[in-house]
Amino acid sequence: SQQGEEDPQALSIQEGENATMNCSYKTSINNLQWYRQNSGRGLVHLILIRSNEREKHSGRLRVTLDTSKKSSSLLITASRAADTASYFCATDRNTGGFKTIFGAGTRLFVKA
Amino acid sequence: DVKVTQSSRYLVKRTGEKVFLECVQDMDHENMFWYRQDPGLGLRLIYFSYDVKMKEKGDIPEGYSVSREKKERFSLILESASTNQTSMYLCASSSPEDYSTDTQYFGPGTRLTVL
Repeated sequence: SQQGEEDPQALSIQEGENATMNCSYKTSINNLQWYRQNSGRGLVHLILIRSNEREKHSGRLRVTLDTSKKSSSLLITASRAADTASYFCATDRNTGGFKTIFGAGTRLFVKA
Repeated sequence: DVKVTQSSRYLVKRTGEKVFLECVQDMDHENMFWYRQDPGLGLRLIYFSYDVKMKEKGDIPEGYSVSREKKERFSLILESASTNQTSMYLCASSSPEDYSTDTQYFGPGTRLTVL
């Protein structure tokens, strides 16, 4: 079963708008990561946030983590057409050895 | 930059054929992974390896086997391909900073069609 589940499944916005994607997970984690996948390609790592962090920034990306609610959000500010991609959250299992588990992803479409 | 390469971008095989998918990474990473990706299901882990000649089953190992004879190379083998193995196959590698982080670097993927 999936550990992380993204919401919404798909998102369509205009260029320049902000895009927010959410991820919920079930069991406690050491860290949470976000990846991007352009159509027909492999995944690219965007950002990692540890369980003792609440917010992290990288360029136009802002990630928050709420361990009490077992959720994370990825905010892309001032979106561009090139941000069109699928975005995945990935969590590790806090027990029984680490193994990264990916959600099903949010498909983001940014219209020019 | 880490580079993970996969032997084919597109592959078409017939039911019952033996299929080899090759993955090579050039960063001396200890860990290597094989996933399959299907619409609505995300990435599902087939097998992973923490060292040469070492392998562990992931969540969906049935119908697959793997081989890791050299550190940089991790092969996925479909002993007898079936139509339900039509999918995108993604290879990844990682070298964790510590036990709790596992940032993975992915290859471009192989889209396999089994007829």
